[in-house]
Amino acid sequence: GAGVSQSPRYKVAKRGQDVALRCDPISGHVSLFWYQQALGQGPEFLTYFQNEAQLDKSGLPSDRFFAERPEGSVSTLKIQRTQQEDSAVYLCASSLVVGGRYEQYFGPGTRLTVT
Amino acid sequence: DQQVKQNSPSLSVQEGRISILNCDYTNSMFDYFLWYKKYPAEGPTFLISISSIKDKNEDGRFTVFLNKSAKHLSLHIVPSQPGDSAVYFCAASDGGSQGNLIFGKGTKLSVKP
Repeated sequence: GAGVSQSPRYKVAKRGQDVALRCDPISGHVSLFWYQQALGQGPEFLTYFQNEAQLDKSGLPSDRFFAERPEGSVSTLKIQRTQQEDSAVYLCASSLVVGGRYEQYFGPGTRLTVT
Repeated sequence: DQQVKQNSPSLSVQEGRISILNCDYTNSMFDYFLWYKKYPAEGPTFLISISSIKDKNEDGRFTVFLNKSAKHLSLHIVPSQPGDSAVYFCAASDGGSQGNLIFGKGTKLSVKP
């Protein structure tokens, strides 16, 4: 039984580069969340998908951040023109039910370092 | 302003004793609370949860207590085991949201043999 997987696990980008982070949720999970976790902090909500629809993107810190889930399964978080403050672990979580607030299954995260 | 606060960054406990991790919240709209456990280089894993209509939920060695009037919850682990050493995150959600969780900063628990 595969859990949530994320790739790459580690990414080093030079400031100004674009990056794309991938999330493979648990098969059949309706809800998908992206969170950003800075060093020493808890995860902070970025965006939420219900199937392919992006229903909440209120947590995206700037218009450099873009997420998609075109077929309602795999999701990609793209960051354009990366800045040093984007350095963090990016976590993806999925849930079987709509909303998924009762339990979310997290992937291992992608650690992004912007130099 | 932080809506979910875990004021103890770390806690050290002897094996076999009780571990008590605390969490405070400010948003009275929160009606569901969860605890997640995180090992290094892994994602958080769900541990236990509680609805605001309850004041206690127990699962094996883990019990969560909720005091709504004080806006406080705690996680009790009895007896503590070395494998419990991890970072514990308290999280909350409200029924009006899309389901996104609001997390505290976490408490690092070390259980010494």
